Amino acid sequence: DQQVKQNSPSLSVQEGRISILNCDYTNSMFDYFLWYKKYPAEGPTFLISISSIKDKNEDGRFTVFLNKSAKHLSLHIVPSQPGDSAVYFCAASARGNMLTFGGGTRLMVKP
Amino acid sequence: KAGVTQTPRYLIKTRGQQVTLSCSPISGHRSVSWYQQTPGQGLQFLFEYFSETQRNKGNFPGRFSGRQFSNSRSEMNVSTLELGDSALYLCASSLAGRGPGANVLTFGAGSRLTVL
Repeated sequence: DQQVKQNSPSLSVQEGRISILNCDYTNSMFDYFLWYKKYPAEGPTFLISISSIKDKNEDGRFTVFLNKSAKHLSLHIVPSQPGDSAVYFCAASARGNMLTFGGGTRLMVKP
Repeated sequence: KAGVTQTPRYLIKTRGQQVTLSCSPISGHRSVSWYQQTPGQGLQFLFEYFSETQRNKGNFPGRFSGRQFSNSRSEMNVSTLELGDSALYLCASSLAGRGPGANVLTFGAGSRLTVL
């Protein structure tokens, strides 16, 4: 039973355009959501997070949107840069440090 | 500030052997968690330690165990290795306190285990 799903295994975007990565969850107990970026041979790197009491959080080029009624969150990257090419994981937690991860989306930003 | 350090980075074992992986968290971080990453199952939670006590446990068999020392360093052990245990094992640490950012995990680079 996958509680966190990223339905797009890959996404290709032109440099300078917007990248939108999506994530769906099923567990209503999740109250904190995070996005991580992962390069090959490295551990995941924290990007941005959002609490369930908010619907938007912004940090530079990265914005995360949370739609609790739809149990959906998305990560927007504007403008996309070639260095953003990596695998992006969304993760969720319910009152603790145990994170449930989605399967990841490979983002490719073309110059 | 030093990041999360995992050793060894790569290792090869044969079926039936056991392995111990080590993790040194960021200074001041009291919680250490372990995750397994495989191509088929993605990132899966193994366990979390806080103040030398296992606080959460994922859905893995008893062959997977861990511990945390008084300096917050952690080890995980896998006994009677199986081919399916081949994976990237990631350690992560966090402040584990209250307030924003307490749940943000900082990951190490991982230990890649190959079981032959």
